[in-house]
Amino acid sequence: DIQLTQSPSFLSASVGDRVTITCRASQGISSYLAWYQQTPGKAPNLLIYVASTLQSGVPSRFSGSGSGTEFTLTINSLQPEDFTTYYCQQLSSDPYTFGQGTKLEIK
Amino acid sequence: EVQLVESGGGVVQPGGSLRLSCAASGFTFSSYWMSWIRQSPERGLEWVANINQDGSAKKYVDSLKGRFTISRDNAKNSLYLQMNSLRAEDTAVYYCAIGLTTTFAFDIWGQGTMVTVSS
Repeated sequence: DIQLTQSPSFLSASVGDRVTITCRASQGISSYLAWYQQTPGKAPNLLIYVASTLQSGVPSRFSGSGSGTEFTLTINSLQPEDFTTYYCQQLSSDPYTFGQGTKLEIK
Repeated sequence: EVQLVESGGGVVQPGGSLRLSCAASGFTFSSYWMSWIRQSPERGLEWVANINQDGSAKKYVDSLKGRFTISRDNAKNSLYLQMNSLRAEDTAVYYCAIGLTTTFAFDIWGQGTMVTVSS
């Protein structure tokens, strides 16, 4: 199975900051990586797919990049509603594994 | 409106069985692969299984093969997960999900149904 490692696991930032979350795959997955945002008690919400394509309706302050084994999610100008948990997922081969999550907290 | 609604969760004893359902609406159910994904504090998010459009192809995470069975009824726009020989580590919120606008992500999720395996 392909393992995904997110870093950091916890991130403190302030409103207006720019932050970057990294997701590393244990083997190459081309660009088959998605990013999700999850608020407590809710299902994950798709932000980005195939590494850099912004899902319809997602604010443009979210962006993704990378290919192969290293990927990043960048959030520009953090808004109060962005302080929650983020996950990456690979869809290169089943099982379609997820990263362990990054919790973004207000500093 | 595109919607997935899970049901069937609850409390079950170790070794017991449970059948989850997912009712789909707002899209052509029979045209899409469907998946089950679960989430627990201990194991995080875990893709469980998927099934193709006519039910002829099914894939499972290796750790669950033989205990869980995914199925669908296109006439009823419904997805199912039969869970047997349940263990404490199967305790989780179970979601059904699809990639509606892309095959390379899950853009539609249900609200989830909680399964608790405990004596």
